[in-house]
Amino acid sequence: AQSVTQPDIHITVSEGASLELRCNYSYGATPYLFWYVQSPGQGLQLLLKYFSGDTLVQGIKGFEAEFKRSQSSFNLRKPSVHWSDAAEYFCAVGSAGNNRKLIWGLGTSLAVNP
Amino acid sequence: GAGVSQSPSNKVTEKGKDVELRCDPISGHTALYWYRQSLGQGLEFLIYFQGNSAPDKSGLPSDRFSAERTGGSVSTLTIQRTQQEDSAVYLCASSLLGENSPLHFGNGTRLTVT
Repeated sequence: AQSVTQPDIHITVSEGASLELRCNYSYGATPYLFWYVQSPGQGLQLLLKYFSGDTLVQGIKGFEAEFKRSQSSFNLRKPSVHWSDAAEYFCAVGSAGNNRKLIWGLGTSLAVNP
Repeated sequence: GAGVSQSPSNKVTEKGKDVELRCDPISGHTALYWYRQSLGQGLEFLIYFQGNSAPDKSGLPSDRFSAERTGGSVSTLTIQRTQQEDSAVYLCASSLLGENSPLHFGNGTRLTVT
């Protein structure tokens, strides 16, 4: 079955600490992978995406993610977290030409301590 | 430029009433999506519009749900005879042509059915 798992429902980090949010997927075709962020009361915003090529992708707000096919993972990282990064983070997987059938994880809620 | 606009931002309705949710996509975006975000669940695809093509309604959970998109721009999602299980945040997203174009989300409409 196709699925996206974000193992951590909630994470708390201190401001300035590094961050890694995990995303594992099960998908039959070549995966297109996305990370979106949802701030309180806001819609989702695309952080970064991976379609092909370099497996380390850079996104907005200083985030990056690495696609590891052997581990079926697409973990999101940031070297130094800012208080404004507190939000809900969603990983999603889809296939070429099929945005409407994106499979979404349940999200990881990030809290940042001052 | 303006992003995706959704109205109302919050809607409280009594069980059995009909509701209409509005989405105004980014100008020039030909693709429009409706999603439902329920507590503890991932985003659920509802319906997809692309240009003048017939909409993909495969995600609509029941025949009480319908949507239209007039003039290739504004879309309305209608829920008839609302039930308590319809309570959720309804998100609209738009994108450029190309099914892997990044989705641009509105802030959503939080629907509460009492």
